[in-house]
Amino acid sequence: NAGVTQTPKFRILKIGQSMTLQCTQDMNHNYMYWYRQDPGMGLKLIYYSVGAGITDKGEVPNGYNVSRSTTEDFPLRLELAAPSQTSVYFCASSSPGTDSYEQYFGPGTRLTVT
Amino acid sequence: AQKVTQAQTEISVVEKEDVTLDCVYETRDTTYYLFWYKQPPSGELVFLIRRNSFDEQNEISGRYSWNFQKSTSSFNFTITASQVVDSAVYFCALRGRGSTLGRLYFGRGTQLTVWP
Repeated sequence: NAGVTQTPKFRILKIGQSMTLQCTQDMNHNYMYWYRQDPGMGLKLIYYSVGAGITDKGEVPNGYNVSRSTTEDFPLRLELAAPSQTSVYFCASSSPGTDSYEQYFGPGTRLTVT
Repeated sequence: AQKVTQAQTEISVVEKEDVTLDCVYETRDTTYYLFWYKQPPSGELVFLIRRNSFDEQNEISGRYSWNFQKSTSSFNFTITASQVVDSAVYFCALRGRGSTLGRLYFGRGTQLTVWP
């Protein structure tokens, strides 16, 4: 099992550009999440999904979009990148079959917007 | 509301010292889960421990130990005989039973530096 994989690992964007952060998990987890981590801060939830075709906003969704066409993939789209979106992005997945909903994290994508 | 407070922003110790990282949480849920994650300089998040609200037994795993006290809403983490490889950011996180489908609430993290 590869677990949760994310691409790219690093990216530099110019203001106004768009990009998609990819996230794939091979554990057949229904639930997937996108978090962002700003310097000196904990992780904050951007979007989450409970299964293919179902997504919802988290704490800080502005400037982002997601889709979930398959169980495995949960891409995060940045439209019109802004410097405030400079952050490290983590994708995670979990299974509702366990009461604790333990989350498995990807390695992260470090994004800089200049 | 769910909230996690890690009041210690940075801690520096010398190798072989013991160090305790504090975590205080807030939740109205009677059932909840607490987690600790380690984030080494390479950036990934490494799961360390999960504890549910019904289990107040302290846990020890090698040089790591956790002290869960519901009376003070704390879930502190102690590293005994610290090593340079313990240098990392440590996050405490909470999931309440009512948390949106498993989402975690994270503290701001504590940067631990262990000097040789």
